[in-house]
Amino acid sequence: EDQVTQSPEALRLQEGESSSLNCSYTVSGLRGLFWYRQDPGKGPEFLFTLYSAGEEKEKERLKATLTKKESFLHITAPKPEDSATYLCAPGLISSGSARQLTFGSGTQLTVLP
Amino acid sequence: DGGITQSPKYLFRKEGQNVTLSCEQNLNHDAMYWYRQDPGQGLRLIYYSQIVNDFQKGDIAEGYSVSREKKESFPLTVTSAQKNPTAFYLCASRPRADEKLFFGSGTQLSVL
Repeated sequence: EDQVTQSPEALRLQEGESSSLNCSYTVSGLRGLFWYRQDPGKGPEFLFTLYSAGEEKEKERLKATLTKKESFLHITAPKPEDSATYLCAPGLISSGSARQLTFGSGTQLTVLP
Repeated sequence: DGGITQSPKYLFRKEGQNVTLSCEQNLNHDAMYWYRQDPGQGLRLIYYSQIVNDFQKGDIAEGYSVSREKKESFPLTVTSAQKNPTAFYLCASRPRADEKLFFGSGTQLSVL
């Protein structure tokens, strides 16, 4: 059974205090690992796609990395506006041409000023 | 501006009532999806559609129905058979040549 686990469930950081969020997965037929940011009461917003172990992508204070079984979202010197829930989603190649994402439950990040 | 529009933002359902959530996109995307999000849980797939007049059940389709009569529209009906409908519902779309999903702003459904 495909599983996605994100840790920690919640993380509180002081402004400027760097940290990492983890996404571990056991899926078959992996086709990409997606990171999204979700603000309260809104839909998820796309951040990154990673396809190969060893791949890294950066956007402002965020950097996503990928290994064979997990992905990390590193947050460097975060600001209060980085507060959000971060979702990871392995993409699957399912039967036929349909491709689906299996979402983790997310890490709720709070950055205190 | 191109995007995905979900309406209404908030919806209340009385017991035994069917309600329909609207999802419209002007991104010319082929695939559209409905997810349900409960507090502290990941998004769970309800239904998806790859092309007009075709759709497939996701992981939690019981108590829900959809239609895809137009490429731009993918409404979701929450029927009275869905006994625990309170949740945040998200519509998404995906272009043919990409795997990432684009999401609407969601509809919060509550039971009166």
